[in-house]
Amino acid sequence: QSALTQPASVSGSPGQSITISCTGTSSDVGAYDYVSWYQQDPGKVPKLIIYDVNNRPSGVSNRFSGSKSGNTASLTISGLQAEDEAEYYCSSYTRRSTLVFGGGTKLTVL
Amino acid sequence: QVHLVESGGGVVQPGGSLRLSCAASGFTFSTYGMHWVRQAPGKGLEWVAIITHEGSIDYYAQSVRDRFTISRDNSRNILYLQMNSLRGGDAAVYYCVRDAGTSGTKYYMDVWGEGTTVTVSS
Repeated sequence: QSALTQPASVSGSPGQSITISCTGTSSDVGAYDYVSWYQQDPGKVPKLIIYDVNNRPSGVSNRFSGSKSGNTASLTISGLQAEDEAEYYCSSYTRRSTLVFGGGTKLTVL
Repeated sequence: QVHLVESGGGVVQPGGSLRLSCAASGFTFSTYGMHWVRQAPGKGLEWVAIITHEGSIDYYAQSVRDRFTISRDNSRNILYLQMNSLRGGDAAVYYCVRDAGTSGTKYYMDVWGEGTTVTVSS
């Protein structure tokens, strides 16, 4: 099972919106609405920010949103803030009943 | 408060074995599926394995299948990962992670432990 494909890095200025893509196949991202996103600050454990494509856990800012089209899922962060600078990972359930992560995207707030 | 505390990491020679443990507290352990996820130094997250809440079903990443075994003791609230035939590529921080579903897997993870480090070196 190959890792999902994410851009290695994205950047944006405070107040702007950015989108991180997560491309899989018809055997994972395209097969189920079981895509989740995690935020990881340096030296910290990952934190769930989006589940089931576009749902936010309680306490997560509504500036974070998710979507999916075909084999590609996306995470959008609007109103970018300095505190959003982190590594972001997508994850998907697969037809083999396993999970797979993306390679991670480093978000830099300029 | 929900807590997951991993232990058992350490230095092991290539080809060796190690058993990781994860002590759970603050929630009804027996109703949640559990995962192991690992992260090699400076690298991304890699899903390793999942076990259902009652322990009857488990699945593995292809990279560890036939070498690693996930198990649980619901009477003691402990999750395990038995790792055999360890390789250099297995060196990582291993996280014990709770699946968000109760009595049924949700395929996303809502509680993470702090991790335990496995080093594979001769």
